[in-house]
Amino acid sequence: SQTIHQWPATLVQPVGSPLSLECTVEGTSNPNLYWYRQAAGRGLQLLFYSVGIGQISSEVPQNLSASRPQDRQFILSSKKLLLSDSGFYLCAWSVRGGSGNTIYFGEGSWLTVV
Amino acid sequence: AQTVTQSQPEMSVQEAETVTLSCTYDTSESDYYLFWYKQPPSRQMILVIRQEAYKQQNATENRFSVNFQKAAKSFSLKISDSQLGDAAMYFCAYRGAPGTYKYIFGTGTRLKVLA
Repeated sequence: SQTIHQWPATLVQPVGSPLSLECTVEGTSNPNLYWYRQAAGRGLQLLFYSVGIGQISSEVPQNLSASRPQDRQFILSSKKLLLSDSGFYLCAWSVRGGSGNTIYFGEGSWLTVV
Repeated sequence: AQTVTQSQPEMSVQEAETVTLSCTYDTSESDYYLFWYKQPPSRQMILVIRQEAYKQQNATENRFSVNFQKAAKSFSLKISDSQLGDAAMYFCAYRGAPGTYKYIFGTGTRLKVLA
């Protein structure tokens, strides 16, 4: 069966420090991968999605970036964190192609920028 | 661009009663998929139910059912015989036809279940 893991689960970082959140999917190949951020009152905001290695689409211009160095690995990064980057980050995946109708989520990562 | 709107920030229901959560969406596509996800206090997102737009029959999963009105672009979730474990945040989501990859979520409805 397919599983998705993301880490770290909780992170407290000072303003201006770098960020790296990692996500790995197991049990499937060529997945679509996603990073969402959840903020109060705004639901789930799509940040990035990827349909293949090295292919990243950005939905929200900001100081975050994403990379997909391997087929089942998705990384969310920042060179210098802002207070406004605090939130709950969710990695997700879906099957590529017409049959991939459901999106599956990881456990999430709480980021607090202080 | 597609949008998903959940106009009820919070709802309450008495245990064993029925509650309906509302969702409307905007799209110019004819083929798409709609979902309801549940997010309990653990924050793990759980798929509750999904609906393919080309299917006229409303989806049902045990105590959960949807009322899909394609012309009205409405997709409500009905929870029957509500249980304490149903208390959670519920998100409505939209995904376009095969070949599109984005899942658009609403702002969520927090459901409280009263004992």
